[in-house]
Amino acid sequence: GQNIDQPTEMTATEGAIVQINCTYQTSGFNGLFWYQQHAGEAPTFLSYNVLDGLEEKGRFSSFLSRSKGYSYLLLKELQMKDSASYLCAVRDSNYQLIWGAGTKLIIKP
Amino acid sequence: IAGITQAPTSQILAAGRRMTLRCTQDMRHNAMYWYRQDLGLGLRLIHYSNTAGTTGKGEVPDGYSVSRANTDDFPLTLASAVPSQTSVYFCASSESGTSFEGGTDTQYFGPGTRLTVL
Repeated sequence: GQNIDQPTEMTATEGAIVQINCTYQTSGFNGLFWYQQHAGEAPTFLSYNVLDGLEEKGRFSSFLSRSKGYSYLLLKELQMKDSASYLCAVRDSNYQLIWGAGTKLIIKP
Repeated sequence: IAGITQAPTSQILAAGRRMTLRCTQDMRHNAMYWYRQDLGLGLRLIHYSNTAGTTGKGEVPDGYSVSRANTDDFPLTLASAVPSQTSVYFCASSESGTSFEGGTDTQYFGPGTRLTVL
């Protein structure tokens, strides 16, 4: 079967750095997505990786290792507004997204 | 403002009733999707459409039907609602849906419909 694993919940301090991991086992791989979802709202796109390596976008970076089936989302200079759930999703061989359950990130002052 | 709209925002429904969730996008995207999101689970795909006139089944299609008469609209119908269909339903769209020729084919989401079936 297909599986996306990510931690259920993480806590970090305002101004710090946090890394959210995602491991996956899917039938085929056509890219990995990270989305942010605030409570009661829709998921919004953060980043996309299809090749190995690091993609940087402002305070957010995402890393991919296809050989290890592994990705992480790195958030720097954390702000209170970063409190949200972070969803990892992999596009499989059918071009459908397989989603992890999400990581709830709690930011403390 | 370009984007995706969904209606209703929330609904409480008696079991056995028929319900249609509406979804409209104005981005001229070819592909549209319906997901359900339940606590502790990832988003699960119900049905999708890669272009007007075609639809496909996702991971959890039973009890749901869709139609795609035009590019903009993608309604989801529950023929006879059951309590296990209590969930938050998200509609999404992307440019292509079938392939990504150098692009990400990112999916963009509507605000969701919170449905409770009693």
